[in-house]
Amino acid sequence: GIQVEQSPPDLILQEGANSTLRCNFSDSVNNLQWFHQNPWGQLINLFYIPSGTKQNGRLSATTVATERYSLLYISSSQTTDSGVYFCAVVSSGTYKYIFGTGTRLKVLA
Amino acid sequence: SQTIHQWPATLVQPVGSPLSLECTVEGTSNPNLYWYRQAAGRGLQLLFYSVGIGQISSEVPQNLSASRPQDRQFILSSKKLLLSDSGFYLCAWSANVRESYNEQFFGPGTRLTVL
Repeated sequence: GIQVEQSPPDLILQEGANSTLRCNFSDSVNNLQWFHQNPWGQLINLFYIPSGTKQNGRLSATTVATERYSLLYISSSQTTDSGVYFCAVVSSGTYKYIFGTGTRLKVLA
Repeated sequence: SQTIHQWPATLVQPVGSPLSLECTVEGTSNPNLYWYRQAAGRGLQLLFYSVGIGQISSEVPQNLSASRPQDRQFILSSKKLLLSDSGFYLCAWSANVRESYNEQFFGPGTRLTVL
């Protein structure tokens, strides 16, 4: 089955810093999502981005489907950005989302 | 707008007891429904998914089962819980559109501790 790898596994930033999170996948995909899991466990949808670039405030994402990766950019990080960031993909011909192992982000005040 | 509900929010159960977790979706029809489990500090593992009433696909051999008695209701069950069943259980839905836009949305989760 499709493999989804995220890097880095852990990241510590000072408030105000920028960061880039990466998601690599091993096969062609129909769908790709980025989620933020907050400290209470809630999974928050950040981007639905099977291809192209999207921006939402301080966050933006780019997926290059032909090269099998996606990037999540966080600019001017805030302490509320702390948590775990997951990417999830749906491989062609299925309905199943496969999740990466996540990037645990901690933003220090 | 669509909303997804899960209950209970937390649950502490003894080993060997039965389990029933419920998930319901409002504001949409014929959704795809999913159950995931997340162990402490780990990623999400897909347990079951359903593309329609009575249609359940199991992803991982385990002590659990799932049922979909109604279009927007998804139930996760066990006859006898094991210690290894502890974790955070998340229900999710997506639109039932074949190989097309089907963004997935998650419920608030149930935190299960088996003692």
